[in-house]
Amino acid sequence: GNSVTQMEGPVTLSEEAFLTINCTYTATGYPSLFWYVQYPGEGLQLLLKATKADDKGSNKGFEATYRKETTSFHLEKGSVQVSDSAVYFCALSKTGANNLFFGTGTRLTVIP
Amino acid sequence: NAGVTQTPKFQVLKTGQSMTLQCAQDMNHNSMYWYRQDPGMGLRLIYYSASEGTTDKGEVPNGYNVSRLNKREFSLRLESAAPSQTSVYFCASTREGTSDTGELFFGEGSRLTVL
Repeated sequence: GNSVTQMEGPVTLSEEAFLTINCTYTATGYPSLFWYVQYPGEGLQLLLKATKADDKGSNKGFEATYRKETTSFHLEKGSVQVSDSAVYFCALSKTGANNLFFGTGTRLTVIP
Repeated sequence: NAGVTQTPKFQVLKTGQSMTLQCAQDMNHNSMYWYRQDPGMGLRLIYYSASEGTTDKGEVPNGYNVSRLNKREFSLRLESAAPSQTSVYFCASTREGTSDTGELFFGEGSRLTVL
């Protein structure tokens, strides 16, 4: 079946540190992959996406590369800010399926 | 620009009581969804509506019913609430289903506690 596995949190970093949140997936065929972010008290919002192998999604300084050989879509940011504190969800979508499959989420806290 | 609006934001129920969560979107989207979010389990799909007049079960539909009242509105009903339904509920919408762009637009959530 389709599933997404994210690294366990919570993750606490100092401001300007490098961030990696790991995400691996299980799916048949060629899914599209996404990172969503949930700020405190808000709903989820799309952060970035990649729809085919070797694509790199990027937004707000965050990047993730679709690696089919390792079935991974790790989220990275070179220098985190306090305002990046949030819960990050990896997700996948299959062509023809009317649903997103979400990972369990990783809480990031950035301290000054 | 309202986007996706959910009501109520907070609700406390006793076991066995019923209630309806309301959701409305103003983006002219065809597809709407109800998810629940539980600690350590991410988001799980309860029901979705691919278009006006259609609804389908998701991963965890038991204990819930839905109504796609019109293109804008998609309600979630708990007929007899149970403590296991304590959760945060999110409504979401998208233009033509997740296989299109994958971008779901979420409401702010409704926190439900069942005692």
